[in-house]
Amino acid sequence: DAGVIQSPRHEVTEMGQEVTLRCKPISGHNSLFWYRQTMMRGLELLIYFNNNVPIDDSGMPEDRFSAKMPNASFSTLKIQPSEPRDSAVYFCASRQTNTEAFFGQGTRLTVV
Amino acid sequence: GQQVMQIPQYQHVQEGEDFTTYCNSSTTLSNIQWYKQRPGGHPVFLIQLVKSGEVKKQKRLTFQFGEAKKNSSLHITATQTTDVGTYFCAGQEGGKLIFGQGTELSVKP
Repeated sequence: DAGVIQSPRHEVTEMGQEVTLRCKPISGHNSLFWYRQTMMRGLELLIYFNNNVPIDDSGMPEDRFSAKMPNASFSTLKIQPSEPRDSAVYFCASRQTNTEAFFGQGTRLTVV
Repeated sequence: GQQVMQIPQYQHVQEGEDFTTYCNSSTTLSNIQWYKQRPGGHPVFLIQLVKSGEVKKQKRLTFQFGEAKKNSSLHITATQTTDVGTYFCAGQEGGKLIFGQGTELSVKP
């Protein structure tokens, strides 16, 4: 398996634009996580899916953020409209329940 | 909800010195995991501790899980420059993984 695949690796966008981050988890994993990493806040859990169902989205900062997992092999995190304070590295991770999490390479988002 | 606190935030050591990072949870953990993130990289799993009082070793790394399952530590003996990075603990709440703030380790040759 190629591991967790995220795209794009880098995204630079203007304030107010819509941004979509994509993630392909490892085949067979039943849990998927979206994290945001910044110097100030560290690794924040945004949302957690289990068997493609959103279980906990309490970490999603506001209504501008939304996430979907239409099937077991794909998830998206959308920010609309984007703001400069959304600039961060966004990681997707997947795992089988109660085992180790595998992280993707991350998407470095810069909103100008 | 669960909070996972980690100290120190930064640690600068001379190569060959020891290093320890501590992790504390506001609630009892079912298990705890440790990850390492190299500069510019992504977190990579190191180990999982499940049992109260458990101690596990990986070469120069020693991991401990507290008796009350609310705290944990990672100790590195005789650090090397390859140990540079940020070390995270992660506690499990339900199916979620909650990460501590991490300890950034720098090693001076």
